[in-house]
Amino acid sequence: NAGVTQTPKFRVLKTGQSMTLLCAQDMNHEYMYWYRQDPGMGLRLIHYSVGEGTTAKGEVPDGYNVSRLKKQNFLLGLESAAPSQTSVYFCASSYQEFTRNGYTFGSGTRLTVV
Amino acid sequence: AQSVTQPDIHITVSEGASLELRCNYSYGATPYLFWYVQSPGQGLQLLLKYFSGDTLVQGIKGFEAEFKRSQSSFNLRKPSVHWSDAAEYFCAVVTGGGNKLTFGTGTQLKVEL
Repeated sequence: NAGVTQTPKFRVLKTGQSMTLLCAQDMNHEYMYWYRQDPGMGLRLIHYSVGEGTTAKGEVPDGYNVSRLKKQNFLLGLESAAPSQTSVYFCASSYQEFTRNGYTFGSGTRLTVV
Repeated sequence: AQSVTQPDIHITVSEGASLELRCNYSYGATPYLFWYVQSPGQGLQLLLKYFSGDTLVQGIKGFEAEFKRSQSSFNLRKPSVHWSDAAEYFCAVVTGGGNKLTFGTGTQLKVEL
């Protein structure tokens, strides 16, 4: 099915380890987003991209890096994981003209940093 | 800064009762508004959206929402709640460049049988 695919779905990291979360969409969406969800705080934007080769900071960017080398992929990296980065991470994508079809979300990645 | 407020953290209703979840936004221009639902351990499902036009918006699962510019509100309603509606509900508004979505902190709905 067309949509947004996130890998992996679950991961446990030790403090200081690094990892990359992959988001892939097959809808030819221009815009892509990474959010984190924490209890009582809703979803908060980490980074986003408005096109291939571009990225921008969101509300909570510290400790994360992103890259969008291909239009269909948006990678979220943690260089040195910290327990505060334990969260559920959601990727989303949309057309530049988002009113065409709103936003499509992935199913999430549950990350635990111990 | 643009923001979304969901004043109720938890709401409990009896099955069959009516439901209203509150959402207030702060945004200077005409807002683009969404309601999402999230069941435990699941992703986000779009219930409905408002871009323009008729201020009463119909969504899936029997939900509706009304946009009231004078009150800066976009409250979600359902006339008769089912036990399967128990979930967390998020209001969101599109803000700024990049069409970023800003979410409220969510309302946890519990349905008593």
